Amino acid sequence: IAGITQAPTSQILAAGRRMTLRCTQDMRHNAMYWYRQDLGLGLRLIHYSNTAGTTGKGEVPDGYSVSRANTDDFPLTLASAVPSQTSVYFCASSRDRDTEAFFGQGTRLTVV
Amino acid sequence: GQNIDQPTEMTATEGAIVQINCTYQTSGFNGLFWYQQHAGEAPTFLSYNVLDGLEEKGRFSSFLSRSKGYSYLLLKELQMKDSASYLCAVRDRSNDYKLSFGAGTTVTVRA
Repeated sequence: IAGITQAPTSQILAAGRRMTLRCTQDMRHNAMYWYRQDLGLGLRLIHYSNTAGTTGKGEVPDGYSVSRANTDDFPLTLASAVPSQTSVYFCASSRDRDTEAFFGQGTRLTVV
Repeated sequence: GQNIDQPTEMTATEGAIVQINCTYQTSGFNGLFWYQQHAGEAPTFLSYNVLDGLEEKGRFSSFLSRSKGYSYLLLKELQMKDSASYLCAVRDRSNDYKLSFGAGTTVTVRA
């Protein structure tokens, strides 16, 4: 079944450690996104990529980096995790930059 | 980003109708989207409006007025399974087509 897959599903991480959240889609979508969701704040855009080879900053990019070497993969890296990065992270993709987005199942990250 | 406002919570009775309003401010409107999110799950796409008017899809309808910066999602014949959070999202072509979300409206359906 075509879709978007995130890994890991959940993770407990020590503060200061480096972590990469993986996201892969097999729908040949051009655009991909990373959001974090915190209670009461809704979904906030971290980084996005409208097409392979390009990336852009969202609303809350500090402490995170992304790369888009190919169409299918869009990993999110926390260089040195801090407790405020405890959140649920959703990866999403859309066929183009102006169409509806489809979401992965999410990664629940706890930084201690 | 965009200012996207929607009520925090709404409660309705099974079989009734609920209307969730969303207001937004953007300089380059390029579409409004509604998503449903059950607790502990990922958001799922419900509807898309880019032109003024009503889009109907079964028990769910979505309305858009671009001049007023206003949309609503109408849920008819409410069922218990409709208890969820409903997210309003807007694309802004003047901001690299970023998709920004409101904080969501939690709808509780009571028997």
